[in-house]
Amino acid sequence: EAQVTQNPRYLITVTGKKLTVTCSQNMNHEYMSWYRQDPGLGLRQIYYSMNVEVTDKGDVPEGYKVSRKEKRNFPLILESPSPNQTSLYFCASSLVRNSPLHFGNGTRLTVT
Amino acid sequence: GESVGLHLPTLSVQEGDNSIINCAYSNSASDYFIWYKQESGKGPQFIIDIRSNMDKRQGQRVTVLLNKTVKHLSLQIAATQPGDSAVYFCAENQSNQFYFGTGTSLTVIP
Repeated sequence: EAQVTQNPRYLITVTGKKLTVTCSQNMNHEYMSWYRQDPGLGLRQIYYSMNVEVTDKGDVPEGYKVSRKEKRNFPLILESPSPNQTSLYFCASSLVRNSPLHFGNGTRLTVT
Repeated sequence: GESVGLHLPTLSVQEGDNSIINCAYSNSASDYFIWYKQESGKGPQFIIDIRSNMDKRQGQRVTVLLNKTVKHLSLQIAATQPGDSAVYFCAENQSNQFYFGTGTSLTVIP
């Protein structure tokens, strides 16, 4: 089944403890991206990747890192999480830039 | 960043009626637009898309209209069903980035 898989679905952590949210797609998509969704603000782009080894900042990249070593994987790294990064995170992929984004089921992160 | 907004945060319609959800976008350079549906606890699901060289596109029970003159996008859902209850939001693509609206919550009254 064609899908975007994120893990974990739920994560509770403490301030400063490094964490990684994994994202994998099995559709051979070139474009991948990360978003956070907060009430009243909608989805905001954190980082995106046009292809392997190519990543760029979105609108809210501060406090996040990404890597794209393989086409299928696009992990989101929080080196030192803070409470303001408590949010619902979505990974998405698309075949190319101007094609429909396919979303994962989300990761709900709570930083205390 | 870009500004993509919706005209109404909530919309209630009777089952069987048509629904219209509106979206305004701010950047005339945006060349690709998508409508998504999001149900509680799930990721956004693709509904329909349209490119800037078109002004209308139809799918199954859904139609997207694009008015570039006033930078307005709408989603029409025909014969709305209870399963259509969800949050709907639009997205625009400009310079390799997607910008999303905050969403309209559609409630279908049986």
